[in-house]
Amino acid sequence: ELKVEQNPLFLSMQEGKNYTIYCNYSTTSDRLYWYRQDPGKSLESLFVLLSNGAVKQEGRLMASLDTKARLSTLHITAAVHDLSATYFCAVGDSGGGADGLTFGKGTHLIIQP
Amino acid sequence: DGGITQSPKYLFRKEGQNVTLSCEQNLNHDAMYWYRQDPGQGLRLIYYSQIVNDFQKGDIAEGYSVSREKKESFPLTVTSAQKNPTAFYLCASSPRMGKLFFGSGTQLSVL
Repeated sequence: ELKVEQNPLFLSMQEGKNYTIYCNYSTTSDRLYWYRQDPGKSLESLFVLLSNGAVKQEGRLMASLDTKARLSTLHITAAVHDLSATYFCAVGDSGGGADGLTFGKGTHLIIQP
Repeated sequence: DGGITQSPKYLFRKEGQNVTLSCEQNLNHDAMYWYRQDPGQGLRLIYYSQIVNDFQKGDIAEGYSVSREKKESFPLTVTSAQKNPTAFYLCASSPRMGKLFFGSGTQLSVL
């Protein structure tokens, strides 16, 4: 059974600081996704990582994937208040089928001025 | 505009009542999914469908039912057998082996 663990689950940080969210998963997978959710809203896709060593960047967010370690990171550089949200990682099964994704519990990020 | 439409946005269920949540997509995606989200929790898969007239149970299917009579539509019924239905329900679709696109969600509460 695929399990996905994120840490930390809650993070309060100041604007301008850097931080990293970690996502570990338990079995082999060939695809990992990062999503953002604002309170009461749906999920917005941030990154799709499909191969070992993949790195994607968008603004102050950068995601990477190490399939050998079964680890993905979401790095926040010089945080700003607008990045306050809950961030989820989600992992697909290794068969590449459309069986749905397994989600972590999410990291609730608060960025304070 | 292409996307996924969920309705209603808010829904209230009385004890013993079945309620149906609507999900429609015009993205021409083969696969569709229903997830449940509880406060402070991640998403848990209820049902998914990879093709019309076929669907599979996810991790928490008990107390729920679905149908997939059309490619565009994947309604979810929360039956009276679901004793703790209060949650945020998210519908999603995806092209084969692609990322999931989510609807705006339905908040279901019990009266």
